[in-house]
Amino acid sequence: GAGVSQSPSNKVTEKGKDVELRCDPISGHTALYWYRQSLGQGLEFLIYFQGNSAPDKSGLPSDRFSAERTGGSVSTLTIQRTQQEDSAVYLCASSLEGGGSGNTIYFGEGSWLTVV
Amino acid sequence: AQKVTQAQTEISVVEKEDVTLDCVYETRDTTYYLFWYKQPPSGELVFLIRRNSFDEQNEISGRYSWNFQKSTSSFNFTITASQVVDSAVYFCALSEAYGGSQGNLIFGKGTKLSVKP
Repeated sequence: GAGVSQSPSNKVTEKGKDVELRCDPISGHTALYWYRQSLGQGLEFLIYFQGNSAPDKSGLPSDRFSAERTGGSVSTLTIQRTQQEDSAVYLCASSLEGGGSGNTIYFGEGSWLTVV
Repeated sequence: AQKVTQAQTEISVVEKEDVTLDCVYETRDTTYYLFWYKQPPSGELVFLIRRNSFDEQNEISGRYSWNFQKSTSSFNFTITASQVVDSAVYFCALSEAYGGSQGNLIFGKGTKLSVKP
């Protein structure tokens, strides 16, 4: 597609359930990023993919969070046993190349997650 | 360590006023990239500009202009003759070529700009 596409746009889930968030990057972009934006917390880096591998997972807040990328394209961020503090907007982004190339990183519209 | 500071949390102006959003960065890399993004109420982060560390030329795009000064580690953003549609949160970000951040964006906390009619 023309831009980074994320689904679902909005998700309300009960505490303790698992959720999956999907990201479809811009076609041809090899680098993919997940960020989280909590109310009043700014933008927090979660994980970076180059192709299908994740050289930097340093931002994942706990082992309840995991992500994978297949075929060098679509990525899924999974949150297990959701907690209320997981409520945030999860933003996916992509760029032509990562790893310090300085390529512009383009963002999707985000998935708004609310844990009740 | 890498860091981006946007000291202004919120700014409120009246339409047609000029406004400058400040951004100060810290990095040990000699090669790095600076960005500004706009986040309107809809939530999407919209790319505005990218600047590499070797290009200190100021840039103007319509009512927007950017002042990059390596001597003060600043990359300030000015909106001339502001309009209500400029109301948004603006983020400054840093990406390093060789630092430990793997080229990820390091964001400032953002400046919320409100332009009143």
